[in-house]
Amino acid sequence: DGGITQSPKYLFRKEGQNVTLSCEQNLNHDAMYWYRQDPGQGLRLIYYSQIVNDFQKGDIAEGYSVSREKKESFPLTVTSAQKNPTAFYLCASSIGLLNTGELFFGEGSRLTVL
Amino acid sequence: GDSVTQMEGPVTLSEEAFLTINCTYTATGYPSLFWYVQYPGEGLQLLLKATKADDKGSNKGFEATYRKETTSFHLEKGSVQVSDSAVYFCALSDLVTNAGKSTFGDGTTLTVKP
Repeated sequence: DGGITQSPKYLFRKEGQNVTLSCEQNLNHDAMYWYRQDPGQGLRLIYYSQIVNDFQKGDIAEGYSVSREKKESFPLTVTSAQKNPTAFYLCASSIGLLNTGELFFGEGSRLTVL
Repeated sequence: GDSVTQMEGPVTLSEEAFLTINCTYTATGYPSLFWYVQYPGEGLQLLLKATKADDKGSNKGFEATYRKETTSFHLEKGSVQVSDSAVYFCALSDLVTNAGKSTFGDGTTLTVKP
């Protein structure tokens, strides 16, 4: 079945450590996105990529980094510079620029900083 | 910039009650509109969409009509079930003015009691 796979589902981190969240899709989508979700709030865009080897900052990119070396993969690194990293992280994909913008989501990764 | 405003929650209903969740938007272009649903501990999944004015999206008994004159996309269901308990997000995507990135409302939590 086609879809988006995020791992790990749960992750605990000590302050000062970098962590990387994995996102893989087999939908053959060009565009991929990372969102952060905090309780009672909507989704906020961290980074997005419309094509391999290219990505742009979203609304809350500070303290995060990404790479897009393969079409299928868009890992997110939460660095020690992110001051409040505890959150639910969602990866999504869409067909590309010339479509209705419908997003397909993974199951999410919950990061807790101890 | 684009924005989405959703009816504040949480919303608690009895089984078989009528549901309305209000959503209004601000956009400079001609956005596509979406309702996504998120079940506990999961990612979001598309519930329904509409791509132009007066379109009606429908799925699983839920409906929403794209009203350009009132800039609204209210979600309705005639008879809710316990299994409809979830968080509902209204969103828009404007391919022309926002490169296809999606803007989300804050979400409305629905609880349906037997």
